Amino acid sequence: AQRVTQPEKLLSVFKGAPVELKCNYSYSGSPELFWYVQYSRQRLQLLLRHISRESIKGFTADLNKGETSFHLKKPFAQEEDSAMYYCALATGNQFYFGTGTSLTVIP
Amino acid sequence: NAGVTQTPKFQVLKTGQSMTLQCAQDMNHEYMSWYRQDPGMGLRLIHYSVGAGITDQGEVPNGYNVSRSTTEDFPLRLLSAAPSQTSVYFCASRRGVLYEQYFGPGTRLTVT
Repeated sequence: AQRVTQPEKLLSVFKGAPVELKCNYSYSGSPELFWYVQYSRQRLQLLLRHISRESIKGFTADLNKGETSFHLKKPFAQEEDSAMYYCALATGNQFYFGTGTSLTVIP
Repeated sequence: NAGVTQTPKFQVLKTGQSMTLQCAQDMNHEYMSWYRQDPGMGLRLIHYSVGAGITDQGEVPNGYNVSRSTTEDFPLRLLSAAPSQTSVYFCASRRGVLYEQYFGPGTRLTVT
């Protein structure tokens, strides 16, 4: 069963525009959610996790348990934000990743 | 502190050949995992380990074996390579159940 859904494979926005990458999850327990980012030719790295409630590189994500969502947002996109973004859910011993959203920020 | 390292970076195999992808971490993490990354599929868990001597299957374990004799190393073995195993393989480690994962640079495998 798909536990993490990222409905957008590709997303393009203009520089300076707001961006939202969607993530929905399916889990009956208390979720531990992450956003990972993979820049071109680099390894995956953690962007943020919901429990820390940090803002990293201007990105934020709020857990909405009612809608089972963990959307990633940034008010003003930058060219260096162009990358592949993965939403992930940790349950017990396993991590479940979504299929990823490729974000392109157009200059 | 090298973090998570993987070798080789690239590999081409013929159908039926076997090989081992190496993964090592120097952070003393108990948890280690192997993923494959395919276009449109995201990352899928192959096998994972919660400590030396303990391994378990993930979402797509068929055709792969693992072992964990030390905390540092977690090799992934392809027993008889098939074209369907053409993928990018990532190894990851983490301190515990709900901690962030640290990823290796990946191994790009092509099976012809």
